[in-house]
Amino acid sequence: SQELEQSPQSLIVQEGKNLTINCTSSKTLYGLYWYKQKYGEGLIFLMMLQKGGEEKSHEKITAKLDEKKQQSSLHITASQPSHAGIYLCGAVLGKRYSGGGADGLTFGKGTHLIIQP
Amino acid sequence: EAGVTQSPTHLIKTRGQQVTLRCSPISGHTSVYWYQQALGLGLQFLLWYDEGEERNRGNFPPRFSGRQFPNYSSELNVNALELEDSALYLCASSTSSNQPQHFGDGTRLSIL
Repeated sequence: SQELEQSPQSLIVQEGKNLTINCTSSKTLYGLYWYKQKYGEGLIFLMMLQKGGEEKSHEKITAKLDEKKQQSSLHITASQPSHAGIYLCGAVLGKRYSGGGADGLTFGKGTHLIIQP
Repeated sequence: EAGVTQSPTHLIKTRGQQVTLRCSPISGHTSVYWYQQALGLGLQFLLWYDEGEERNRGNFPPRFSGRQFPNYSSELNVNALELEDSALYLCASSTSSNQPQHFGDGTRLSIL
Protein backbone atom coordinates (compact mmCIF):
# COMPACT_ATOMS: atom_id res chain seq x y z
CA SER A 1 0.00 0.00 0.00
CA GLN A 2 1.03 3.57 -0.59
CA GLU A 3 2.72 5.25 2.40
CA LEU A 4 1.41 8.66 1.36
CA GLU A 5 -2.10 8.58 -0.05
CA GLN A 6 -3.42 11.58 -1.92
CA SER A 7 -7.07 12.21 -2.62
CA PRO A 8 -8.65 12.77 -4.95
CA GLN A 9 -6.48 11.33 -7.74
CA SER A 10 -7.95 13.84 -10.17
CA LEU A 11 -10.13 16.87 -9.88
CA ILE A 12 -11.98 18.98 -12.43
CA VAL A 13 -13.07 22.32 -11.03
CA GLN A 14 -14.79 25.28 -12.61
CA GLU A 15 -12.74 28.45 -12.62
CA GLY A 16 -13.46 30.52 -9.53
CA LYS A 17 -14.43 27.57 -7.34
CA ASN A 18 -12.61 26.43 -4.20
CA LEU A 19 -11.03 23.01 -3.85
CA THR A 20 -9.20 20.84 -1.31
CA ILE A 21 -6.58 18.12 -1.80
CA ASN A 22 -5.69 15.74 1.02
CA CYS A 23 -2.54 13.82 1.85
CA THR A 24 -2.65 11.06 4.47
CA SER A 25 0.34 9.16 5.83
CA SER A 26 0.45 5.58 7.08
CA LYS A 27 3.44 6.47 9.26
CA THR A 28 4.17 9.17 11.79
CA LEU A 29 4.27 12.46 9.99
CA TYR A 30 6.60 15.09 11.38
CA GLY A 31 6.84 17.37 8.39
CA LEU A 32 5.38 17.67 4.94
CA TYR A 33 6.09 19.42 1.65
CA TRP A 34 3.69 20.43 -1.09
CA TYR A 35 4.89 20.72 -4.68
CA LYS A 36 3.24 21.50 -8.01
CA GLN A 37 4.32 19.89 -11.28
CA LYS A 38 3.42 20.86 -14.82
CA TYR A 39 3.19 17.77 -17.01
CA GLY A 40 6.63 16.38 -17.80
CA GLU A 41 8.46 19.15 -16.00
CA GLY A 42 10.19 19.62 -12.67
CA LEU A 43 8.54 20.24 -9.31
CA ILE A 44 7.86 23.72 -8.01
CA PHE A 45 8.09 24.07 -4.24
CA LEU A 46 4.90 25.49 -2.70
CA MET A 47 5.03 25.09 1.07
CA MET A 48 6.73 23.27 3.93
CA LEU A 49 4.86 22.38 7.12
CA GLN A 50 6.78 21.17 10.12
CA LYS A 51 4.69 21.49 13.24
CA GLY A 52 1.36 19.96 14.12
CA GLY A 53 -1.40 22.49 13.59
CA GLU A 54 0.80 24.63 11.38
CA GLU A 55 -0.97 26.50 8.62
CA LYS A 56 0.69 28.43 5.80
CA SER A 57 -0.69 30.51 2.97
CA HIS A 58 0.75 31.79 -0.28
CA GLU A 59 -1.47 33.85 -2.53
CA LYS A 60 -4.65 31.75 -2.84
CA ILE A 61 -3.18 28.48 -1.59
CA THR A 62 -3.38 27.39 2.07
CA ALA A 63 -1.91 24.24 3.55
CA LYS A 64 -2.42 22.73 7.00
CA LEU A 65 -0.74 19.92 8.92
CA ASP A 66 -2.59 17.73 11.41
CA GLU A 67 0.02 15.51 13.08
CA LYS A 68 -2.54 13.58 15.14
CA LYS A 69 -4.45 12.53 12.05
CA GLN A 70 -1.18 12.16 10.09
CA GLN A 71 -2.76 14.29 7.43
CA SER A 72 -2.22 17.48 5.47
CA SER A 73 -4.64 19.41 3.30
CA LEU A 74 -4.07 21.91 0.51
CA HIS A 75 -6.86 24.36 -0.16
CA ILE A 76 -7.12 26.63 -3.21
CA THR A 77 -9.52 29.55 -3.07
CA ALA A 78 -11.10 31.03 -6.21
CA SER A 79 -9.23 28.71 -8.58
CA GLN A 80 -7.63 30.08 -11.76
CA PRO A 81 -6.31 28.40 -14.94
CA SER A 82 -2.76 28.94 -13.62
CA HIS A 83 -3.53 26.53 -10.76
CA ALA A 84 -3.87 23.60 -13.17
CA GLY A 85 -1.24 20.88 -12.83
CA ILE A 86 -0.25 17.96 -10.63
CA TYR A 87 -0.04 18.57 -6.88
CA LEU A 88 2.30 16.31 -4.94
CA CYS A 89 2.80 15.90 -1.24
CA GLY A 90 6.14 14.62 0.00
CA ALA A 91 7.52 13.78 3.42
CA VAL A 92 10.32 12.14 5.34
CA LEU A 93 8.32 9.40 7.03
CA GLY A 94 8.71 7.74 10.37
CA LYS A 95 11.32 10.04 11.85
CA ARG A 96 11.43 13.57 13.08
CA TYR A 97 12.53 16.03 10.45
CA SER A 98 16.05 17.14 11.12
CA GLY A 99 18.60 19.33 9.47
CA GLY A 100 21.17 18.12 7.02
CA GLY A 101 18.66 17.90 4.20
CA ALA A 102 16.84 15.18 6.15
CA ASP A 103 16.60 12.40 3.60
CA GLY A 104 15.01 11.39 0.36
CA LEU A 105 11.34 12.22 0.29
CA THR A 106 8.48 9.79 -0.07
CA PHE A 107 5.83 11.22 -2.39
CA GLY A 108 2.17 10.61 -2.94
CA LYS A 109 1.06 9.71 -6.46
CA GLY A 110 -0.26 13.20 -7.04
CA THR A 111 -3.57 14.91 -7.69
CA HIS A 112 -4.26 16.01 -11.26
CA LEU A 113 -6.09 19.34 -11.17
CA ILE A 114 -7.93 20.64 -14.24
CA ILE A 115 -9.55 24.07 -14.19
CA GLN A 116 -12.50 24.51 -16.53
CA PRO A 117 -13.13 28.03 -17.82
CA GLU B 1 19.92 33.02 -8.70
CA ALA B 2 20.16 30.02 -11.04
CA GLY B 3 18.04 27.03 -10.13
CA VAL B 4 18.95 23.35 -10.30
CA THR B 5 20.12 22.52 -13.81
CA GLN B 6 20.09 19.09 -15.41
CA SER B 7 21.55 17.77 -18.64
CA PRO B 8 20.72 16.46 -21.09
CA THR B 9 16.99 17.27 -21.29
CA HIS B 10 16.22 14.22 -23.41
CA LEU B 11 18.04 10.98 -24.09
CA ILE B 12 17.25 7.89 -26.13
CA LYS B 13 19.13 4.66 -25.45
CA THR B 14 18.72 0.97 -26.20
CA ARG B 15 18.56 -1.96 -23.82
CA GLY B 16 21.90 -2.94 -22.30
CA GLN B 17 23.53 0.45 -22.82
CA GLN B 18 24.82 2.73 -20.09
CA VAL B 19 23.85 6.34 -19.43
CA THR B 20 25.13 9.27 -17.36
CA LEU B 21 22.90 12.12 -16.25
CA ARG B 22 24.22 15.35 -14.78
CA CYS B 23 22.98 17.82 -12.19
CA SER B 24 24.22 21.18 -10.93
CA PRO B 25 22.68 22.25 -7.63
CA ILE B 26 21.68 25.74 -6.57
CA SER B 27 24.72 27.71 -5.45
CA GLY B 28 25.31 27.11 -1.74
CA HIS B 29 23.43 23.81 -1.65
CA THR B 30 25.51 20.83 -0.56
CA SER B 31 22.88 18.06 -0.75
CA VAL B 32 21.80 16.53 -4.05
CA TYR B 33 18.95 14.07 -4.46
CA TRP B 34 17.99 11.92 -7.43
CA TYR B 35 14.44 10.72 -8.10
CA GLN B 36 12.84 8.57 -10.78
CA GLN B 37 9.36 9.36 -12.07
CA ALA B 38 8.14 6.48 -14.19
CA LEU B 39 4.67 6.29 -15.66
CA GLY B 40 2.26 4.76 -13.18
CA LEU B 41 4.82 4.48 -10.38
CA GLY B 42 5.01 8.03 -9.18
CA LEU B 43 8.05 9.84 -7.92
CA GLN B 44 10.53 7.52 -6.21
CA PHE B 45 13.66 8.40 -4.26
CA LEU B 46 16.87 7.04 -5.79
CA LEU B 47 19.96 8.52 -4.12
CA TRP B 48 21.05 11.25 -1.72
CA TYR B 49 24.53 12.80 -1.74
CA ASP B 50 25.83 15.28 0.77
CA GLU B 51 29.36 16.69 1.02
CA GLY B 52 30.57 14.18 -1.56
CA GLU B 53 29.25 11.11 0.26
CA GLU B 54 26.32 8.84 -0.54
CA ARG B 55 24.02 9.22 2.50
CA ASN B 56 21.10 7.04 1.52
CA ARG B 57 19.60 5.19 -1.42
CA GLY B 58 16.12 4.09 -2.27
CA ASN B 59 14.95 0.63 -3.28
CA PHE B 60 16.83 0.44 -6.58
CA PRO B 61 19.36 -2.13 -7.84
CA PRO B 62 23.13 -1.46 -7.72
CA ARG B 63 23.23 -0.69 -11.46
CA PHE B 64 21.91 2.71 -10.39
CA SER B 65 24.86 4.60 -8.96
CA GLY B 66 26.27 8.08 -8.83
CA ARG B 67 28.70 10.45 -7.31
CA GLN B 68 29.02 14.01 -6.10
CA PHE B 69 31.95 16.18 -7.04
CA PRO B 70 33.84 18.72 -4.88
CA ASN B 71 31.79 21.53 -6.47
CA TYR B 72 28.64 19.65 -5.30
CA SER B 73 27.48 18.81 -8.81
CA SER B 74 26.41 15.22 -9.28
CA GLU B 75 26.14 12.43 -11.82
CA LEU B 76 23.68 9.57 -11.95
CA ASN B 77 24.88 6.48 -13.79
CA VAL B 78 22.63 3.68 -14.92
CA ASN B 79 24.20 0.51 -16.31
CA ALA B 80 22.64 -2.32 -18.32
CA LEU B 81 19.59 -0.27 -19.20
CA GLU B 82 16.22 -2.02 -19.15
CA LEU B 83 12.95 -0.98 -20.78
CA GLU B 84 11.45 -0.13 -17.38
CA ASP B 85 14.19 2.46 -16.80
CA SER B 86 12.30 4.75 -19.17
CA ALA B 87 11.32 7.67 -16.96
CA LEU B 88 11.82 11.29 -16.06
CA TYR B 89 14.87 11.57 -13.79
CA LEU B 90 14.71 14.52 -11.45
CA CYS B 91 17.50 16.05 -9.43
CA ALA B 92 16.91 18.22 -6.37
CA SER B 93 19.19 20.15 -4.05
CA SER B 94 18.98 21.63 -0.59
CA THR B 95 21.18 23.26 1.99
CA SER B 96 22.36 21.31 4.99
CA SER B 97 19.82 23.06 7.19
CA ASN B 98 16.11 22.60 7.65
CA GLN B 99 15.14 23.68 4.15
CA PRO B 100 13.08 22.19 1.34
CA GLN B 101 14.44 20.44 -1.73
CA HIS B 102 14.35 22.39 -4.98
CA PHE B 103 14.01 20.48 -8.21
CA GLY B 104 15.42 20.76 -11.71
CA ASP B 105 13.37 20.21 -14.86
CA GLY B 106 14.60 16.66 -15.26
CA THR B 107 16.07 14.41 -17.94
CA ARG B 108 13.62 12.37 -19.98
CA LEU B 109 15.19 8.95 -20.66
CA SER B 110 13.63 6.68 -23.24
CA ILE B 111 14.79 3.09 -23.67
CA LEU B 112 14.07 1.41 -27.00
